Amino acid sequence: DAKTTQPPSMDCAEGRAANLPCNHSTISGNEYVYWYRQIHSQGPQYIIHGLKNNETNEMASLIITEDRKSSTLILPHATLRDTAVYYCIVRGPHNFNKFYFGSGTKLNVKP
Amino acid sequence: DAGVTQSPTHLIKTRGQQVTLRCSPKSGHDTVSWYQQALGQGPQFIFQYYEEEERQRGNFPDRFSGHQFPNYSSELNVNALLLGDSALYLCASSFETGRNEQYFGPGTRLTVT
Repeated sequence: DAKTTQPPSMDCAEGRAANLPCNHSTISGNEYVYWYRQIHSQGPQYIIHGLKNNETNEMASLIITEDRKSSTLILPHATLRDTAVYYCIVRGPHNFNKFYFGSGTKLNVKP
Repeated sequence: DAGVTQSPTHLIKTRGQQVTLRCSPKSGHDTVSWYQQALGQGPQFIFQYYEEEERQRGNFPDRFSGHQFPNYSSELNVNALLLGDSALYLCASSFETGRNEQYFGPGTRLTVT
């Protein structure tokens, strides 16, 4: 699986959009980008995933660059409950169901 | 619809002992994966079970073993516990086919003294 690079931490004001970047420059054409988050001492929670097109669901939006070497997770209106570690994961069919979690980004949402 | 459940929530064992952790997958899921998460680190893949067989394995010694039952539930066994085995053990379930987003349980906190 392609490895990912994320900033170790970010701050965001409550009510503002949180934009979390991820670099995955070695991604292959058939590998998906997944985002999970982990609130302190809980199991990781699935947020969103995509292949090449931008995706949106009730939790977040995923923007993938045209060359697919980077992506951004957008939480449109961050709340204090969004404070968590966010993991960007790249996974392909050759490594079925195995998720490689890096160190993630600790997002601190401040009032 | 119950999500992924794990038991026990917390466990304290002594070095050299053996431990068994249990996981029930989300309803309709047939694949179970286990992860170890040390304090301050991301989860590390241990292995995955599908159709009662170990399908993939991460970089963990043979002291870590598992089992999947016909009802898709799973157990993780760790023998000869070391202090370094202290961690949060996470179970995740998914469908075998498709793009397979995994759903995680709350984890079992294992402390080895």
